[in-house]
Amino acid sequence: DTAVSQTPKYLVTQMGNDKSIKCEQNLGHDTMYWYKQDSKKFLKIMFSYNNKELIINETVPNRFSPKSPDKAHLNLHINSLELGDSAVYFCASSPIGTDTQYFGPGTRLTVL
Amino acid sequence: GENVEQHPSTLSVQEGDSAVIKCTYSDSASNYFPWYKQELGKRPQLIIDIRSNVGEKKDQRIAVTLNKTAKHFSLHITETQPEDSAVYFCAAGQGGKLIFGQGTELSVKP
Repeated sequence: DTAVSQTPKYLVTQMGNDKSIKCEQNLGHDTMYWYKQDSKKFLKIMFSYNNKELIINETVPNRFSPKSPDKAHLNLHINSLELGDSAVYFCASSPIGTDTQYFGPGTRLTVL
Repeated sequence: GENVEQHPSTLSVQEGDSAVIKCTYSDSASNYFPWYKQELGKRPQLIIDIRSNVGEKKDQRIAVTLNKTAKHFSLHITETQPEDSAVYFCAAGQGGKLIFGQGTELSVKP
């Protein structure tokens, strides 16, 4: 199946821990994104990478660090997790030259 | 800063009726306006989009209109069905950066 995939689907962890979420797309897209959807369903862009290069970096605490080992993968590492980090994190990708974005299934992060 | 306002936040219609959701945006540089449908626990799915050089676009029961001068755009769903029930998001942006509206929870009653 051609798609945007994320792992894990659910992540439950304690405050202060460090965790990573992985994203992969096999659509041949050049640009990948991370979004945060909070408990009120508000979707906000966090980062965007184009062919492994960071192009959008919104006002996000520096505890969040994206890494793109190649243009098909974009991972999100979060240090020192806080209660307010609890949310659904969506990865998305878009083909070169377009703004059309396709979302992954999401990772529900719960910080206790 | 850039902002997208979406109204209403909730909308309840009878099956077969039409539904209209409206958005306004602040950044006049925006040139791309997608609409996403998100069912409970699922990913946002693109249902229709429009670019700034077009005033209207239609795909079966769904249509989007854009007024660049007034900086607003709307989603129209005709002949609504229960499976249209979901949260709908508008977005505006350019260069890959999308600013999303707050979402509209649409409920279609059979």
